[in-house]
Amino acid sequence: EAQVTQNPRYLITVTGKKLTVTCSQNMNHEYMSWYRQDPGLGLRQIYYSMNVEVTDKGDVPEGYKVSRKEKRNFPLILESPSPNQTSLYFCASSLGGSGKAPLHFGNGTRLTVT
Amino acid sequence: ELKVEQNPLFLSMQEGKNYTIYCNYSTTSDRLYWYRQDPGKSLESLFVLLSNGAVKQEGRLMASLDTKARLSTLHITAAVHDLSATYFCAVDIQGAQKLVFGQGTRLTINP
Repeated sequence: EAQVTQNPRYLITVTGKKLTVTCSQNMNHEYMSWYRQDPGLGLRQIYYSMNVEVTDKGDVPEGYKVSRKEKRNFPLILESPSPNQTSLYFCASSLGGSGKAPLHFGNGTRLTVT
Repeated sequence: ELKVEQNPLFLSMQEGKNYTIYCNYSTTSDRLYWYRQDPGKSLESLFVLLSNGAVKQEGRLMASLDTKARLSTLHITAAVHDLSATYFCAVDIQGAQKLVFGQGTRLTINP
């Protein structure tokens, strides 16, 4: 089954404790992206990747890092989480660029930073 | 900076009624998506609109795009409870490799 898999689904952590949210897709998509969803703001792009070793900032990259060492994986790293990073995070992938085909979304990771 | 605004943000309606969700955007684009999100779930692609005048229909939902007016609409016909969800429009910024999402419209359909 074609899917984007995120882990974990829920995460509660404390300020400053490094964490990684994993994302994997099995569709051989070149494009992958991370979004955060906050009430009243819709989804905002954090980082995206056009292919292996090619990443770039989105609209809200501060406090986040990403890597793309393999085509299928695109982890999101929070080196020193802060409470304002409490949010619902979605990984997404598509064939080609962001607008060339519909994005396939993972199931989301709800992060709480206390 | 591209802004995407949906209207209304909350909509409560009765089964059997018709209604329209509006999506306005602030700069040129000829590619727009509609997504659906059920509570606690991920986003699911509904429609992709690729050119001015494009119209797509699936069941009780119909989406259209007017690139000159920078407006897309999602029309619900004879609503049923199963259509209760949050609906997002998202506009492609050519060359920027991102979709810019509207705030979402939370639709509740009452029996």
